[in-house]
Amino acid sequence: DVKVTQSSRYLVKRTGEKVFLECVQDMDHENMFWYRQDPGLGLRLIYFSYDVKMKEKGDIPEGYSVSREKKERFSLILESASTNQTSMYLCASSPTGLSSYEQYFGPGTRLTVT
Amino acid sequence: QKEVEQNSGPLSVPEGAIASLNCTYSDRGSQSFFWYRQYSGKSPELIMSIYSNGDKEDGRFTAQLNKASQYVSLLIRDSQPSDSATYLCAVKDYGNNRLAFGKGNQVVVIP
Repeated sequence: DVKVTQSSRYLVKRTGEKVFLECVQDMDHENMFWYRQDPGLGLRLIYFSYDVKMKEKGDIPEGYSVSREKKERFSLILESASTNQTSMYLCASSPTGLSSYEQYFGPGTRLTVT
Repeated sequence: QKEVEQNSGPLSVPEGAIASLNCTYSDRGSQSFFWYRQYSGKSPELIMSIYSNGDKEDGRFTAQLNKASQYVSLLIRDSQPSDSATYLCAVKDYGNNRLAFGKGNQVVVIP
């Protein structure tokens, strides 16, 4: 079974703090993704990575950065948290292949910025 | 970013009936299509993937793909209360490794 884990299920941070969200997958997948999910807006892609040390901006990268130093780990960083970054954050991973690309999600981190 | 549309509102079905969900997509080059189930407060879970035109069955779930008309559908037969969830359609972008997600359809199965 594919397993994607995230460092925290719930997190409360103050405005201006630097926040680190960690994601680890154990299936040797090349691709990893960070999304946020908000009611009425669906899943929105923040950043993704298709290889170690590689990263690509998604649809809403502003206010975020990422790090992928090892294949199994993909970190999302909120440089200076703001209240509009209160959301559910979801990490996913997927293999690369001719007909694959199924994404498998972690349990999510519900972040509240006060 | 390519578009994936799931336009119908919440779907209420009686227990034992068939639930039918539809999804249209804009990128004619897309080759890979997925359905995810998401329970309230939980993360999306992959339930079906389909790559070729036609039907694919897995238990009570059937995915149907029509590339010429650019739609993919999901049928849930013998619906159970445990099927009550939001169902997300996802389409792989042609030329990169990301998925485009629809906003989802909520299904409520009434006992």
